Amino acid sequence: GAGVSQSPRYKVAKRGQDVALRCDPISGHVSLFWYQQALGQGPEFLTYFQNEAQLDKSGLPSDRFFAERPEGSVSTLKIQRTQQEDSAVYLCASTRGTGDYGYTFGSGTRLTVV
Amino acid sequence: AQTVTQSQPEMSVQEAETVTLSCTYDTSESDYYLFWYKQPPSRQMILVIRQEAYKQQNATENRFSVNFQKAAKSFSLKISDSQLGDAAMYFCAYRSFTGNQFYFGTGTSLTVIP
Repeated sequence: GAGVSQSPRYKVAKRGQDVALRCDPISGHVSLFWYQQALGQGPEFLTYFQNEAQLDKSGLPSDRFFAERPEGSVSTLKIQRTQQEDSAVYLCASTRGTGDYGYTFGSGTRLTVV
Repeated sequence: AQTVTQSQPEMSVQEAETVTLSCTYDTSESDYYLFWYKQPPSRQMILVIRQEAYKQQNATENRFSVNFQKAAKSFSLKISDSQLGDAAMYFCAYRSFTGNQFYFGTGTSLTVIP
């Protein structure tokens, strides 16, 4: 596609519920990133994929967070047993290669845990 | 870890005037990239301008320019001839030369007054 597509755009989850957030990167983009942006803050790195390989997951805040990209294209960020502190915008970005290439961000999913 | 500081939570500028947004960062690396991103209410992060640390010349993109002071670890953004469409959150970001993830500041909310 022309841009990075994320769905859903908004998600309301009850505390304890599991959620899955989808990122559809630009076709052919090798690298894919997930960021978490809490209200009033800048985005913070969660995890990074190069094709289907998850090369860095150092930013995942707990073992309740899990990301995958099984075929090297679409990625899913899953949060189990959601808690209120998980409320944030989750941004996905992709880039054509590694190193210095232009990053394209999606419009994010706003997750609200009630 | 690298840190990025934006000390101005909010700024305002009269339409057609010039405004400067401040950013400082902390790193022990000598090679890196610095960025300014714009985030409108649509939430998509849009690249405004980029600076490679090894370049002494300040980057310029149309009405946007930076003042990069490597020794002072300062990276300010100047917006000339401000337009209503410039109103948004602006984030300063750092990326290592060899790394992949961005480190973002907390953002500056820019209001453009007609």
